[in-house]
Amino acid sequence: DAKTTQPPSMDCAEGRAANLPCNHSTISGNEYVYWYRQIHSQGPQYIIHGLKNNETNEMASLIITEDRKSSTLILPHATLRDTAVYYCIVRVDTGTASKLTFGTGTRLQVTL
Amino acid sequence: DTAVSQTPKYLVTQMGNDKSIKCEQNLGHDTMYWYKQDSKKFLKIMFSYNNKELIINETVPNRFSPKSPDKAHLNLHINSLELGDSAVYFCASSQGYRGNQPQHFGDGTRLSIL
Repeated sequence: DAKTTQPPSMDCAEGRAANLPCNHSTISGNEYVYWYRQIHSQGPQYIIHGLKNNETNEMASLIITEDRKSSTLILPHATLRDTAVYYCIVRVDTGTASKLTFGTGTRLQVTL
Repeated sequence: DTAVSQTPKYLVTQMGNDKSIKCEQNLGHDTMYWYKQDSKKFLKIMFSYNNKELIINETVPNRFSPKSPDKAHLNLHINSLELGDSAVYFCASSQGYRGNQPQHFGDGTRLSIL
């Protein structure tokens, strides 16, 4: 699976949009981009995933560049409860079992 | 309703003991996983089962033995516990095992070896 690069930490003011970047320059055509987050002492929480097109759900939006070498997770109105470590993961889909390989993620701190 | 539930939430035991962690999911998924998160917070997959069949088996000591009695359950038995086994163990499930199926995690079992 392709590797990802994320900033180790970011701050965001409550109520503002949080834009979390991720580089995955070696991604291949059959690899999905996944975002998970882990709030302290809890299990990883699935946020969103995409292949080529931008995606939006009730939690966030995922913007994938046209060349697919980078993506941005957008939390439109961050709250204190969004403080967590956010993981960007690329995961291959070949029709056989594939793994989620977690990196070190971005620690997002939402402040008043 | 808890989607992926693990028991116990905390487990403190002595080196050399044998212990089990249980996982159940009520999402109707057919694939389940065990992950280990160490003290440095790295999260790594250990095993995966699809319809009770082992499909992913990472480099894990054979003291760790997963068992899947049915699609909704995946238990982890650990023999001869060592200090290095201290970690948080997470169970997860998904519908199918392909790369386009998100996994949903439990809240973890915190294992401490004395």
